[in-house]
Amino acid sequence: DTGVSQDPRHKITKRGQNVTFRCDPISEHNRLYWYRQTLGQGPEFLTYFQNEAQLEKSRLLSDRFSAERPKGSFSTLEIQRTEQGDSAMYLCASSSGLTGGRLEQYFGPGTRLTVT
Amino acid sequence: ILNVEQSPQSLHVQEGDSTNFTCSFPSSNFYALHWYRWETAKSPEALFVMTLNGDEKKKGRISATLNTKEGYSYLYIKGSQPEDSATYLCAFKSNQFYFGTGTSLTVIP
Repeated sequence: DTGVSQDPRHKITKRGQNVTFRCDPISEHNRLYWYRQTLGQGPEFLTYFQNEAQLEKSRLLSDRFSAERPKGSFSTLEIQRTEQGDSAMYLCASSSGLTGGRLEQYFGPGTRLTVT
Repeated sequence: ILNVEQSPQSLHVQEGDSTNFTCSFPSSNFYALHWYRWETAKSPEALFVMTLNGDEKKKGRISATLNTKEGYSYLYIKGSQPEDSATYLCAFKSNQFYFGTGTSLTVIP
């Protein structure tokens, strides 16, 4: 396992369509994070999982966004009824350990979403 | 939403110069402070995770310090090289991670 992978790398969709992204973390990592990054901004926290449990969700995350991590392995992030404001880079990161936040995160290459 | 600020926003230095950037964060509810380096077309890469007030960490020519009481961290690069050109992000961890907008460093050969 060489790192965190994300699929697809790029996605262009029309407004109103649903999209789903996948993240495969480093295999022994129990923590998985999703972030969104728009131009000129730093990554913005969306949600995180410890194993299969979704432990934290940003209040900024509308109910059009949902994330899952079945069996505590890969994770999916779905956006329903996409809007142009959803255009961004979606980053996934994973880390190990039970004491969250004190170990570095390993980031994937991101999925660039463009909503037309 | 917590405010994490990084300065300067961008920096151009000559090869061989030393440089430093600042990350400012709230001084309450501190859990950890992360530094990441993000090169264009690559994934962010962890540099340091700092947890204790007064922490100093070093990796090669890059070092960082932490002051949790006043809410700031400095990242230093000694003898900058063109391969140091990247965006340097800090992330403050309290209940969740809050990232700054980054400092974009360009090292001119």
